[in-house]
Amino acid sequence: DAGVTQSPTHLIKTRGQHVTLRCSPISGHKSVSWYQQVLGQGPQFIFQYYEKEERGRGNFPDRFSARQFPNYSSELNVNALLLGDSALYLCASSLWTGELFFGEGSRLTVL
Amino acid sequence: RKEVEQDPGPFNVPEGATVAFNCTYSNSASQSFFWYRQDCRKEPKLLMSVYSSGNEDGRFTAQLNRASQYISLLIRDSKLSDSATYLCVVNGKAAGNKLTFGGGTRVLVKP
Repeated sequence: DAGVTQSPTHLIKTRGQHVTLRCSPISGHKSVSWYQQVLGQGPQFIFQYYEKEERGRGNFPDRFSARQFPNYSSELNVNALLLGDSALYLCASSLWTGELFFGEGSRLTVL
Repeated sequence: RKEVEQDPGPFNVPEGATVAFNCTYSNSASQSFFWYRQDCRKEPKLLMSVYSSGNEDGRFTAQLNRASQYISLLIRDSKLSDSATYLCVVNGKAAGNKLTFGGGTRVLVKP
């Protein structure tokens, strides 16, 4: 069975640009969560989606948005990129609760 | 005060030795607790859940102390392959998966 897949794996953007990151969960998992991991720190919760509805939001500005599609895949969008948005963005799938299975992440560099 | 705090280490451990480290959490209403392992530039993976009665999985033992609001992880007979960052994770919600990660404790096992 395929695990959690994320794309792109690496990308470079400049300040002010917009980025879209994509995630496909494990088959059968209806929940997708997004985390931001800055180098040297633990992952920080951004969003959780379950059955296409936002079920949780972390302490991130409105520049961050996400959505979940009918096939349970998800997109994370970040507008007006700042240098501080440079990080590894991790997608995790799960049942409603329980173990999180992470993808390998999308490494974003903002110049 | 951070919601979940860990000693960043590194803990330099001789192969075969025992190492233990703690994690403190601030929310007394936290519902569930986990240890995740993260290898360098890889995604986090669940190592073990932490139960109130304490639990053991091979060489790994996890304990929860609700009164003092900390959890611990002990690794016996350390292997070189145990070198990683160990992330303490707390779920403060009764439902859903808004996990709060600590900053991680880095463990280096040396021959």
